[in-house]
Amino acid sequence: DAKTTQPPSMDCAEGRAANLPCNHSTISGNEYVYWYRQIHSQGPQYIIHGLKNNETNEMASLIITEDRKSSTLILPHATLRDTAVYYCIVAGYNQGGKLIFGQGTELSVKP
Amino acid sequence: NAGVTQTPKFQVLKTGQSMTLLCAQDMNHEYMSWYRQDPGMGLRLIHYSVGAGITDQGEVPNGYNVSRSTTEDFPLRLLSAAPSQTSVYFCASSATGTGYTGELFFGEGSRLTVL
Repeated sequence: DAKTTQPPSMDCAEGRAANLPCNHSTISGNEYVYWYRQIHSQGPQYIIHGLKNNETNEMASLIITEDRKSSTLILPHATLRDTAVYYCIVAGYNQGGKLIFGQGTELSVKP
Repeated sequence: NAGVTQTPKFQVLKTGQSMTLLCAQDMNHEYMSWYRQDPGMGLRLIHYSVGAGITDQGEVPNGYNVSRSTTEDFPLRLLSAAPSQTSVYFCASSATGTGYTGELFFGEGSRLTVL
């Protein structure tokens, strides 16, 4: 599986958009980009995933560059409850049981 | 649906003791996996299973055994506990095939301390 690189930490003002970058320059053609987050010491929570097209759901938007070497997770209106560690993962489709988590980005949403 | 249920939530062991962490899911998921998370670190994959009777090693399998006799259950066995196994353990499950949604469902975690 391809590796990912994320900044260790980021801050965001409450109500503003949070843009979390992820570099995955070695991604292969059949690998997807998955985003999860972990709030405090809870189990990780799925956010979104995509292959090459931009994706949006009720939680976030995922923007994948045309060369697929990087992506950005966008939380459009961050709240204090979005403070968490966000993990970007690259894996083949149907690999849910063996996703490899990296260190993630610790997002702090501040009032 | 209860989702993914882990027991116990907390456990203290002495070095050398053995124990089993239990994980059960009621979503008829084929994929199940165990992760450990040390303080301030990301999750590391211990073992995973793609269906009943099939298991494989993850990133950090040493010191742990698993088996998958049913679709619902995926127990994690610590054979001889060591202080280095002090961690929070998460069990997860996922659908596969036509039911795959990209989502891995996690339990609440089992917090293990080895003295």
